[in-house]
Amino acid sequence: DAGITQSPRYKITETGRQVTLMCHQTWSHSYMFWYRQDLGHGLRLIYYSAAADITDKGEVPDGYVVSRSKTENFPLTLESATRSQTSVYFCASSDRGRNYGYTFGSGTRLTVV
Amino acid sequence: AQKITQTQPGMFVQEKEAVTLDCTYDTSDPSYGLFWYKQPSSGEMIFLIYQGSYDQQNATEGRYSLNFQKARKSANLVISASQLGDSAMYFCAMREGMDSNYQLIWGAGTKLIIKP
Repeated sequence: DAGITQSPRYKITETGRQVTLMCHQTWSHSYMFWYRQDLGHGLRLIYYSAAADITDKGEVPDGYVVSRSKTENFPLTLESATRSQTSVYFCASSDRGRNYGYTFGSGTRLTVV
Repeated sequence: AQKITQTQPGMFVQEKEAVTLDCTYDTSDPSYGLFWYKQPSSGEMIFLIYQGSYDQQNATEGRYSLNFQKARKSANLVISASQLGDSAMYFCAMREGMDSNYQLIWGAGTKLIIKP
């Protein structure tokens, strides 16, 4: 199906474990983003990517790693999960052009216990 | 300083009434875009409407319109004839210029509850 897909939708993991959240888009959009959404903080940018093999830090990158070897995929890895990383994670993509907003994935609800 | 300010953390509105959700922004860039998104309780983020800084007319999309007052730096979302399904969080966002890596700057959101 066309669109932007995140997996898994829900994940429970233990403190200290590595976990990877997947994001796949079918539009060949140049830009991709990872956000976390927490009560009281709104949407905060973790990492973004302007193209394959080009990534950069956002507002809250610590404890996260991203890669983008292919245009369509932008996985987010928590290297050693902490309870403070319990959150809802959104992946988004955007094409070039001033009037292009984001298209969001459905989100991944991650709980670190 | 906040670049996007949504001053209404929450609003209650009677069904079928019109709703105005406030958004003010701050930028010195003459070229920018303003976006509104809806997030229902199911969690997905839904794009509603876009307004460009050079657009002469206010944007409209069905029951949604954007009251764009450039001099006041405000971009209020107007929902006409509200419905129960309009209950959601609403986020205002801005993209500045052409060299922003297409990042959006987000407001804190307004929680809208439509009463039957």
